[in-house]
Amino acid sequence: AQKVTQAQTEISVVEKEDVTLDCVYETRDTTYYLFWYKQPPSGELVFLIRRNSFDEQNEISGRYSWNFQKSTSSFNFTITASQVVDSAVYFCALSIPTGANSKLTFGKGITLSVRP
Amino acid sequence: EPEVTQTPSHQVTQMGQEVILRCVPISNHLYFYWYRQILGQKVEFLVSFYNNEISEKSEIFDDQFSVERPDGSNFTLKIRSTKLEDSAMYFCASRAVNEKLFFGSGTQLSVL
Repeated sequence: AQKVTQAQTEISVVEKEDVTLDCVYETRDTTYYLFWYKQPPSGELVFLIRRNSFDEQNEISGRYSWNFQKSTSSFNFTITASQVVDSAVYFCALSIPTGANSKLTFGKGITLSVRP
Repeated sequence: EPEVTQTPSHQVTQMGQEVILRCVPISNHLYFYWYRQILGQKVEFLVSFYNNEISEKSEIFDDQFSVERPDGSNFTLKIRSTKLEDSAMYFCASRAVNEKLFFGSGTQLSVL
């Protein structure tokens, strides 16, 4: 069975601070995908990134960066110079690519509040 | 970017009533899903659907739930006799082969 743990439940920062959201996953499969989704107050799930288990290269997209470390089963997400619009719930998720059954297993989410 | 469309955005119903939540997945996608998020909790998998049949369902997806793709474009989730604990945000999602999952904006179901 797969499991995603987001130990942080709520984080509050002041605008322009950097913030890292932690994600630890468990799976026995060697092939898997990791995801981050953002859920703003409006409720929709916004896709941020998908990373496959064979690609440990870190990724940067604007103010967002992701650090994937298989040795520690972690896939952490850093927002640099946070902004008020970053306030949202952030979910880490895992899927095993098994064709039609590639369901996502989500963590419990981290509520990020960015204060002006 | 293509979108998964869900209607209605909000649905209020009385306990014991049947509800149908509707979704229009992205047109060339083959795999369809329903997920549920109870207020303040994580998003949970309900069911996956491929080739006109259920490919996997969670323990949440009991006999009160059913899914259907009636006309090749819509994908529906039916709850036959709603319970208070069915109140949640329901997300539809779809994907092509080896592609990321696209989520709809959700239907907020309130059972009174």
